[in-house]
Order: sequence, then C-alpha cells, then structure tokens
Amino acid sequence: AQSVTQLGSHVSVSEGALVLLRCNYSSSVPPYLFWYVQYPNQGLQLLLKYTSAATLVKGINGFEAEFKKSETSFHLTKPSAHMSDAAEYFCAVSDTSSSNTGKLIFGQGTTLQVKP
Amino acid sequence: SQTIHQWPATLVQPVGSPLSLECTVEGTSNPNLYWYRQAAGRGLQLLFYSVGIGQISSEVPQNLSASRPQDRQFILSSKKLLLSDSGFYLCAWSDQRHQFFGPGTRLTVL
Repeated sequence: AQSVTQLGSHVSVSEGALVLLRCNYSSSVPPYLFWYVQYPNQGLQLLLKYTSAATLVKGINGFEAEFKKSETSFHLTKPSAHMSDAAEYFCAVSDTSSSNTGKLIFGQGTTLQVKP
Repeated sequence: SQTIHQWPATLVQPVGSPLSLECTVEGTSNPNLYWYRQAAGRGLQLLFYSVGIGQISSEVPQNLSASRPQDRQFILSSKKLLLSDSGFYLCAWSDQRHQFFGPGTRLTVL
C-alpha cells in the first residue's frame, strides 16, 4: 500500500532563504507524485506533479521538486522564499491499489512560515 | 475550462441539525468526485469518492453520507450533526491525472 510522509509539520524560513519541504513516499509501483499548496481558508492548488518523465519537475511560483527513486523522496524546493509563499503544503501519491478511481494519498501537510 | 463550485462557503449549525453541502463541476463530463475533510491541525481525510452517477464509496465510517444525483453534482449530507463534524470540507474532481479542488466549506458545529 502506498503512503506519504512529510517530515516536519512546521518549517520556518527567512524571506530570501532556501525553502526545502521534505516528502518521502512508499509505493510498490512507479508512483505519480504531487505537491499541492493551500492558502488559508482556500482549496488546494496544484504546484507540480511527477508522472514518470523528467525527474526534476518545475512548478508554479518558482517551486521545483526532484524525484529520487533510490531515496523514495520527492522534496519540494524554492531558491528564495517570498512572504507570499507562507501556506500549507501537501505531498501526495496516486493510489494505484484501486484502478480508475484517481484517488490520492496525502501527507499530513507542512506549514511554511516566512519571516521578514 | 473546468470549474468547481462549493456552497455554502461557511456554515454554523447546532448539534443534531441536518447538513447538506453541495459541489458542482462545470466543463467536464463523467469526472471522478471526492469529498475530503480537514479538521483543525490535521491533514486531509478522504471521506467519499464517486466514479459515476449513483456510485458512492465510503472511505471511513462516520456520521456523514454522500450522493451523486447527477454527473457533475456531489452532495455531502448528515441527518444529525455532531461536534466532531466541524471542519473544512473540500470537494475535488479528477481527470485521472490529478485532482482539482473546490474553494471549500467551513463548517462549525456548536
């Protein structure tokens, strides 16, 4: 069965500093992996996704993530944090145990705080 | 383009009252549909999903039910709300590649 672990429920960085949000997954088949962002009282917005093409995936708002099969990781990074990046971030893996449902398995989320 | 609507945006209900949250999708046909709940300080919990009209799968036992009376309409209901039903409810649809989320409904049960 697939699972997702996000290391660190809260991450705090200074404006302009590197952002690194960690995600490790468990999957018995090649996974599809996703990062979503949620701003307060809003729905989730897709940042980027990995679907077995390039291992370095570029997303919106300057974020990118690298799929590392040997480490079963899909960490999210951004070179320079902006105040507007403060939000909650979710990593997810496609649930391949039930075909054609499109279900995702989400991590518990990481709240990113950006300090001025 | 596709859009997803949820209403109401916020709702305050007394314990024991009924609930009906509605989600509609535009611009696509035969989507997979999902209801999630976010409780305070917790991640996303998948409550129900549907792969077609009248087809509902429940992920966790609970006080809630779901229905899909039309292809692009997904309804979350309860006959009697509990305090533990408070949370942020998100509807989503999927094109089999990734999920698109609605704006959510903030439910407070008092």
